[in-house]
Amino acid sequence: ILNVEQSPQSLHVQEGDSTNFTCSFPSSNFYALHWYRWETAKSPEALFVMTLNGDEKKKGRISATLNTKEGYSYLYIKGSQPEDSATYLCAFLNGGSQGNLIFGKGTKLSVKP
Amino acid sequence: DAGVIQSPRHEVTEMGQEVTLRCKPISGHDYLFWYRQTMMRGLELLIYFNNNVPIDDSGMPEDRFSAKMPNASFSTLKIQPSEPRDSAVYFCASSLSSNYGYTFGSGTRLTVV
Repeated sequence: ILNVEQSPQSLHVQEGDSTNFTCSFPSSNFYALHWYRWETAKSPEALFVMTLNGDEKKKGRISATLNTKEGYSYLYIKGSQPEDSATYLCAFLNGGSQGNLIFGKGTKLSVKP
Repeated sequence: DAGVIQSPRHEVTEMGQEVTLRCKPISGHDYLFWYRQTMMRGLELLIYFNNNVPIDDSGMPEDRFSAKMPNASFSTLKIQPSEPRDSAVYFCASSLSSNYGYTFGSGTRLTVV
């Protein structure tokens, strides 16, 4: 069974703090790793898709790194703002099943003003 | 583009009734996915299509669930007969390919009483 683990489950930070969270996935037969941002009462929105070991992607204050050999990815948020409050999901795509994106349970981030 | 369009947004039905959920993917996207979101299991893939052809339906819980994609712009997920344990949010998503992020619809919140 392919499992994607995210930690922590939830995180509370103050506005202006920088934060990061982890996604662990199977290191064998890797194809791609996705990150999504999911605000309450909305639907998940794609942040990054990473495919190469050592990949680093950035979008404004949010960035992500990928280590496929050891099976983890980090998501960083620099200078958190209240509007960053959301659940951040990572999802793993196995090379053997091109469409079956397996999601973690997410890290719920709350940023207090 | 209006994005992925799902209908209805909310559905309340009685146990035993047939339920049909609808999805219009983004034009030009070759992949269409049906996901179910529950508190216990998070986001889980039910079935996905590539170029209107079902590729992997191993996530469909049982024979009561069926999905079709008669053309590139429309898909349905049907539950017959519905049961209270089917209550969940059902998301449809589409994508150009696995190397691109998935675009999710707003979801259909199904309640079976």
